[in-house]
Amino acid sequence: GAVVSQHPSRVICKSGTSVKIECRSLDFQATTMFWYRQFPKQSLMLMATSNEGSKATYEQGVEKDKFLINHASLTLSTLTVTSAHPEDSSFYICSATDRTYNEQFFGPGTRLTVL
Amino acid sequence: QKEVEQNSGPLSVPEGAIASLNCTYSDRVSQSFFWYRQYSGKSPELIMSIYSNGDKEDGRFTAQLNKASQYVSLLIRDSQPSDSATYLCAVERGRGSTLGRLYFGRGTQLTVWP
Repeated sequence: GAVVSQHPSRVICKSGTSVKIECRSLDFQATTMFWYRQFPKQSLMLMATSNEGSKATYEQGVEKDKFLINHASLTLSTLTVTSAHPEDSSFYICSATDRTYNEQFFGPGTRLTVL
Repeated sequence: QKEVEQNSGPLSVPEGAIASLNCTYSDRVSQSFFWYRQYSGKSPELIMSIYSNGDKEDGRFTAQLNKASQYVSLLIRDSQPSDSATYLCAVERGRGSTLGRLYFGRGTQLTVWP
């Protein structure tokens, strides 16, 4: 299967700071990338869908001004958590796909801890 | 009503037994259904996908889909301790503009004991 990477794998930051998470498709061009969040013992919750070159589509209840998503190229999408607070501490996972695949390929995830 | 619901578990079976995992979904226009396995602290990995009513077998895994009942299940035969993980059911809602958007159940934690 195709490979998706995320960076960083783990980040700890102070409350009020912004954190950027990168998601890269390493061996294919991802026309669509997705961002998920997972709290402990909870399921993956879809946050937003991002298509290369266009604005992200956010799920209901997800603040687009807080979670900034940029999909500037076919291999890179970024999620920026602005003014992070402890309640934003979570496991953030991206996935990527294109029209030739019938599945999404998941990155390894980023563990965010906000102190 | 939640989009995707799974039997919450945890489920514990002895090695060699059959593990049965169940999932129901609320959106009738859903077309694609997936089972993922997730180990603690890791991202999910795809086990099976199923799109048509009936059974689909892949090695020790069998997925079953019944769209009329809005029900999808996963059977794991000859369960191994390495199968111990959380199993997530995911449903792709509709088509067109919602293509690819997956909605996950909370997961069922499976433990296979030797």
